[in-house]
Amino acid sequence: DTEVTQTPKHLVMGMTNKKSLKCEQHMGHRAMYWYKQKAKKPPELMFVYSYEKLSINESVPSRFSPECPNSSLLNLHLHALQPEDSALYLCATGRGTLNTGELFFGEGSRLTVL
Amino acid sequence: KNEVEQSPQNLTAQEGEFITINCSYSVGISALHWLQQHPGGGIVSLFMLSSGKKKHGRLIATINIQEKHSSLHITASHPRDSAVYICAVADGSSNTGKLIFGQGTTLQVKP
Repeated sequence: DTEVTQTPKHLVMGMTNKKSLKCEQHMGHRAMYWYKQKAKKPPELMFVYSYEKLSINESVPSRFSPECPNSSLLNLHLHALQPEDSALYLCATGRGTLNTGELFFGEGSRLTVL
Repeated sequence: KNEVEQSPQNLTAQEGEFITINCSYSVGISALHWLQQHPGGGIVSLFMLSSGKKKHGRLIATINIQEKHSSLHITASHPRDSAVYICAVADGSSNTGKLIFGQGTTLQVKP
């Protein structure tokens, strides 16, 4: 199983809603990443988890709250988002954070904030 | 100047043509990734390189560490190769897992 599964694929939410994005992998990878990608731009790193612990937060606003409940699952909790937060949210995994291994990306969750 | 520069930014080819996309970087790296993204879709990792050359099907990736340059070649291109190709490097001075991305090369292969 070399897949990273992200759900939902599409999400539309209002600025007062609370929703979550989910990322799941069963490759035993211990590094998991959240990226945000705006149209026609490269991905921007948001968070890095290493062995279920948050190791990097790229100064992301607190309306985005990551969670790694176990080694297979990564969540991104969303609350009080702004329309400019509309983007493709990508999850990626790797064997470690030493930047020497292949990365596996999910298909992404496309978020629209109204 | 960006730390990772790709060229060309846009590329149109006829089916069957040999295609080369270039990536130059200015930092010391521990690895370089070539990624593919179809319109509206997620990202697929094509290659991870730290030296030399790798081949997978019609795709070939090379890297020259001394010159800080990598190329992605597509032989016998096909319309399904139409996508954005992204070069990303792992900063060798950091073990944070952070990648530095190029701006991407948009490839269109016409039948």
